[in-house]
Amino acid sequence: AQSVAQPEDQVNVAEGNPLTVKCTYSVSGNPYLFWYVQYPNRGLQFLLKYITGDNLVKGSYGFEAEFNKSQTSFHLKKPSALVSDSALYFCAVRDINTGGFKTIFGAGTRLFVKA
Amino acid sequence: DTAVSQTPKYLVTQMGNDKSIKCEQNLGHDTMYWYKQDSKKFLKIMFSYNNKELIINETVPNRFSPKSPDKAHLNLHINSLELGDSAVYFCASSQDGLSYEQYFGPGTRLTVT
Repeated sequence: AQSVAQPEDQVNVAEGNPLTVKCTYSVSGNPYLFWYVQYPNRGLQFLLKYITGDNLVKGSYGFEAEFNKSQTSFHLKKPSALVSDSALYFCAVRDINTGGFKTIFGAGTRLFVKA
Repeated sequence: DTAVSQTPKYLVTQMGNDKSIKCEQNLGHDTMYWYKQDSKKFLKIMFSYNNKELIINETVPNRFSPKSPDKAHLNLHINSLELGDSAVYFCASSQDGLSYEQYFGPGTRLTVT
């Protein structure tokens, strides 16, 4: 079965510091991995994805993610956090057993960036 | 020019009532979804539709009945509402295939009293 895990419920970081939000995955076959962000009372917004190719993926708002096959991880990173980055972040994987019509989301990690 | 829209944004109703949520996307996508987000923010797929055909029904009670009149619309009708149905329901759409991201609507907060 395909799954993703976000081991941290919450991440706290000071503005200007680098941030990392962790995600590990378990899939059969090639992983199709995504990061989404949810601001309060809003729908999810796509940040970036890993399908194939370079292990370092760049996305929206200065975020990037590093795909690590040996560690089955897909951590979200940003070199310098902003207060406005405070939100709920979801890692997700497309379920290849359903042809991608089902996406499995992690439990979410709440990011707090303190000024 | 909202990409994925849902109505209503808020829905407060009593147990036993029937209600509908409407979703429309103007992105030209062939695939649409319904998700349920509970109070702990867990997000779970309920249904996936591709070209108006039901592809995924993720063990949802049959009180929930999605309907896709065309590729741009996916509505959700809920019969005999229960307290446990209180949640935020999100509609989303995407292009076909494993490699495409999803676009989410703003959500409908359903409160059953």
